[in-house]
Amino acid sequence: LAKTTQPISMDSYEGQEVNITCSHNNIATNDYITWYQQFPSQGPRFIIQGYKTKVTNEVASLFIPADRKSSTLSLPRVSLSDTAVYYCLVGDPHHPFKAAGNKLTFGGGTRVLVKP
Amino acid sequence: SAVISQKPSRDICQRGTSLTIQCQVDSQVTMMFWYRQQPGQSLTLIATANQGSEATYESGFVIDKFPISRPNLTFSTLTVSNMSPEDSSIYLCSVVRTGRVNTEAFFGQGTRLTVV
Repeated sequence: LAKTTQPISMDSYEGQEVNITCSHNNIATNDYITWYQQFPSQGPRFIIQGYKTKVTNEVASLFIPADRKSSTLSLPRVSLSDTAVYYCLVGDPHHPFKAAGNKLTFGGGTRVLVKP
Repeated sequence: SAVISQKPSRDICQRGTSLTIQCQVDSQVTMMFWYRQQPGQSLTLIATANQGSEATYESGFVIDKFPISRPNLTFSTLTVSNMSPEDSSIYLCSVVRTGRVNTEAFFGQGTRLTVV
């Protein structure tokens, strides 16, 4: 089971770029890296998913080095509404809840506070 | 995407009683998942609910305490039985969908349970 380690919290200011790095040293060949965002009193929401190199969508970029032992979520020009907890998950998304143990497990998450 | 309706959104219950949480999905899914999120903590998977068979429980969770029903492919219930204050948490249901590019987990809004 690929465990993830990410910073507990990060502070930023409006308009800045926020980069959150997640370590996953024992990532498996079939594992993808997925990031979720959770606001208070809501369920987590998918942000981005990738396997290697770089993935970009309308809200974020995901950078994955060649060894895939870490990944960095980049949030460009954050606003106050980006204040949330961000979770890095590692697992096989096509079999996320396989009984063999390759489950999508939520780690501790990173609490991002965006200040005015 | 997936639309998940979860109810109740919150409840305050007396210890020793039971609460049943309902989760309705807008289309058929094979597996539905139940999570618990204690205050300020990450999500912990309780069990996986399959239609037509008994739910599969994670370590630390048992059927007598958290019975689950899955009568059809769009609906599931989780009951928190014989509640104690330690059961005060947010309970979330989730489904996984594979799209053209990504495989995402979708979550209900959660049920905030307070046991007094």
